[in-house]
This record gives sequence, C-alpha cells and structure tokens, in this order.
Amino acid sequence: EPEVTQTPSHQVTQMGQEVILRCVPISNHLYFYWYRQILGQKVEFLVSFYNNEISEKSEIFDDQFSVERPDGSNFTLKIRSTKLEDSAMYFCASSPVPGGTQYFGPGTRLTVL
Amino acid sequence: AQSVTQLDSQVPVFEEAPVELRCNYSSSVSVYLFWYVQYPNQGLQLLLKYLSGSTLVESINGFEAEFNKSQTSFHLRKPSVHISDTAEYFCAVSDGNTGKLIFGQGTTLQVKP
Repeated sequence: EPEVTQTPSHQVTQMGQEVILRCVPISNHLYFYWYRQILGQKVEFLVSFYNNEISEKSEIFDDQFSVERPDGSNFTLKIRSTKLEDSAMYFCASSPVPGGTQYFGPGTRLTVL
Repeated sequence: AQSVTQLDSQVPVFEEAPVELRCNYSSSVSVYLFWYVQYPNQGLQLLLKYLSGSTLVESINGFEAEFNKSQTSFHLRKPSVHISDTAEYFCAVSDGNTGKLIFGQGTTLQVKP
C-alpha cells in the first residue's frame, strides 16, 4: 500500500538556523499539506499546496516558512531562522482530491535548541 | 470559521468495556468529518470518515461513529475495547473545498487490564 514518507525522522538544530523538512507524497495525489503538533497540543494546519502554488495558509505560516515542490516527487517545508517555539512534530499529508481523505506521513520531530 | 471540540481530554476504561469519545463541531457549510488515531510515537492514521450517505460509519477494527447534523456531533464508539486501542484519538473536520483539516484537542483513551 502506498504511503507518505518523511525525512528526517528527527532534526535537531540551533536557534537561528534554517531547516528543510522533506516529504514524498503518494504518487498520484495532487493536494499536499503540512501540519504541526507542538508537544501536548493539538494538530494545527500550516499550509495546503496544489498545482505548484499555495492554496491556503494559516496565521502560523508567516514569512519564516516556505514550501516547494522541487521535482515530481518531493514536497518540502523550509523554516528560516528557527525559534525555540518552532520545536514540534511536523506532519506532511497528501490527498487525491480536496476535502477527501488525507494520508499522513510519520512526521519529523524538530527540536530547536 | 470551523471548529472542533473534543469534550474529554482523557478517557480511562477497562478492557472489554464500551467506550464513547465525544466530538462536536461547528461550521456554516457542509462538512466532511474524520477520526484519526495516533499510537505512541507514531503518526496519524485514518480511523474512519463521513463524507456523505449513511450517517453511521464503521472502521475495520470495530469502531463506529455517527454523524448527527442536528446535534453537530460525530461521536466515536466501540462496544468492547482492547489494550491495543490505547492511543490518542483526534476528531477533524474539513469543508471539502480547501481540504484543510481542523482538528480537535484530542482524547487520550487509556485501556486498563
């Protein structure tokens, strides 16, 4: 069964550094999403992406964040100048249609020191 | 704006007992509803969903949920739980247009022997 994959599983970085979180969505899916879950809190929507552009973003997704689909398979989340409060689990998800079932990756745990 | 409320943060229950995890939502448009499960140190897995049609939906491992439009609820039930059902359960809503999922705060189901 096809699945969403994410790398790395755990990323440790120093405050102020840039990180890139990578995701490989399910191959025939067209809609891509990033969510985050701060420890002990609920899962929060960050951004949705379709047809090579952002379709919706949350208030959390400010200029510090960017997404890209650099090739036909990868979907990346870049966080510039990381802050302590960026420490969280970041989940990528993909869906064949909007509003349909989203399939989540296993997540990347980002720790900012 | 859409929102999801999970009324119980923790639900302790003995093995083989029935359980209900409550979920209420608010939305001004038609919605799709989902339950996701997160086992310890793992990502989110779809448990079941309501998109349209029959208001009672079932999962392959014995869970069921009923969409109640008048009460704006989508409670999750299982007649007899197992130790292996111990996990975090998230209710989520999508408006079907952007696909963005709005999650509830999560309910920790603790099944005791």
